Amino acid sequence: AQRVTQPEKLLSVFKGAPVELKCNYSYSGSPELFWYVQYSRQRLQLLLRHISRESIKGFTADLNKGETSFHLKKPFAQEEDSAMYYCALSMEYGNKLVFGAGTILRVKS
Amino acid sequence: GAGVSQSPSNKVTEKGKDVELRCDPISGHTALYWYRQRLGQGLEFLIYFQGNSAPDKSGLPSDRFSAERTGESVSTLTIQRTQQEDSAVYLCASSLLSGWNTEAFFGQGTRLTVV
Repeated sequence: AQRVTQPEKLLSVFKGAPVELKCNYSYSGSPELFWYVQYSRQRLQLLLRHISRESIKGFTADLNKGETSFHLKKPFAQEEDSAMYYCALSMEYGNKLVFGAGTILRVKS
Repeated sequence: GAGVSQSPSNKVTEKGKDVELRCDPISGHTALYWYRQRLGQGLEFLIYFQGNSAPDKSGLPSDRFSAERTGESVSTLTIQRTQQEDSAVYLCASSLLSGWNTEAFFGQGTRLTVV
């Protein structure tokens, strides 16, 4: 069955330090991967999606099919990046989004 | 509407009572999800509706939980005989399509407190 694993429940870094939020998935087909973010007192929202190959708020994520990973990276963390981050996977049409357990990112000044 | 709307935003109920949570998805969105988020925890999948297909109920934690959706519109999540462990934020999301290259839009959630 498809699964998304985010091994870190909490990641704490200093402002200006690099950030890498890990995401691994298990799925035998060709998945589409997403990162969602939930800032304090805000709705959960899409941050970026693999297919768009975009950089949002300085974050990027590369799909590594060999390692079945989709880690989220940012070279220099900012305090406003502090939030809960969820990795998600979708499959063929008609199948639901599968979310990981989430990682809390805390950026300290 | 501008986005996914959930009501009520907050609900306090006594243990043993039934509660009904409502979700108004974005018009035209065929997929609708319910999740539960306990304090400090991640998303817990509850149920998924996609068009006229049978819903995926695999995440419902017990038979006290049920959900309905009328066509591609409003959905209600019902919790019967509430327990204190049901206290959580219940999130609803909808998307235009499910599967590849879709974006799920989330509501603001209903905070349920069982006392």
